[in-house]
Amino acid sequence: QKEVEQDPGPLSVPEGAIVSLNCTYSNSAFQYFMWYRQYSRKGPELLMYTYSSGNKEDGRFTAQVDKSSKYISLFIRDSQPSDSATYLCAMEVQDSNYQLIWGAGTKLIIKP
Amino acid sequence: DSGVTQTPKHLITATGQRVTLRCSPRSGDLSVYWYQQSLDQGLQFLIHYYNGEERAKGNILERFSAQQFPDLHSELNLSSLELGDSALYFCASSVGQHNSPLHFGNGTRLTVT
Repeated sequence: QKEVEQDPGPLSVPEGAIVSLNCTYSNSAFQYFMWYRQYSRKGPELLMYTYSSGNKEDGRFTAQVDKSSKYISLFIRDSQPSDSATYLCAMEVQDSNYQLIWGAGTKLIIKP
Repeated sequence: DSGVTQTPKHLITATGQRVTLRCSPRSGDLSVYWYQQSLDQGLQFLIHYYNGEERAKGNILERFSAQQFPDLHSELNLSSLELGDSALYFCASSVGQHNSPLHFGNGTRLTVT
């Protein structure tokens, strides 16, 4: 079993829909959680960075962490065709050389 | 623009050859990470340097080596290249040694023929 599980998709939704992207994990020691967006042939771009549990909002993006369920989510409101990309989750433990663990990425397609 | 610069953007070379990929981190960042991403594959962590010292190794082949210089730029050396080494190689940098977000460059696309 992988430490971080992420459905590779593709996930196809119509423009304007609310998108929900998710990752599950097995290591309860993870404390820092990240979401990255990667356009084709480009470097991953940091979208959200959260510590421990709770919600964080930035514009149309909301990151949610549920440590009791070992489950993190990224919500995208009013989705746009420009949001079409691969979304990667990543997480790490605190103050350790234990490296960042990445999900495989979910390919998101927003249809105009 | 993440502030992380990678050169060259593209590299085409033959099997058995050696290449050097270069990365300049964001201003103020002390950590440099190298990742490999093959076609439609996830990010594979290769190696992490912090302020000139190696901090962690991932799935890095013995044919690959890296270093971080006093000015904090880093180089990834790939030798005895094989067809399977064709991939995107990303460099990322962060402020701290851990628990700080990574910022990625746009990668070097290596094609081995």
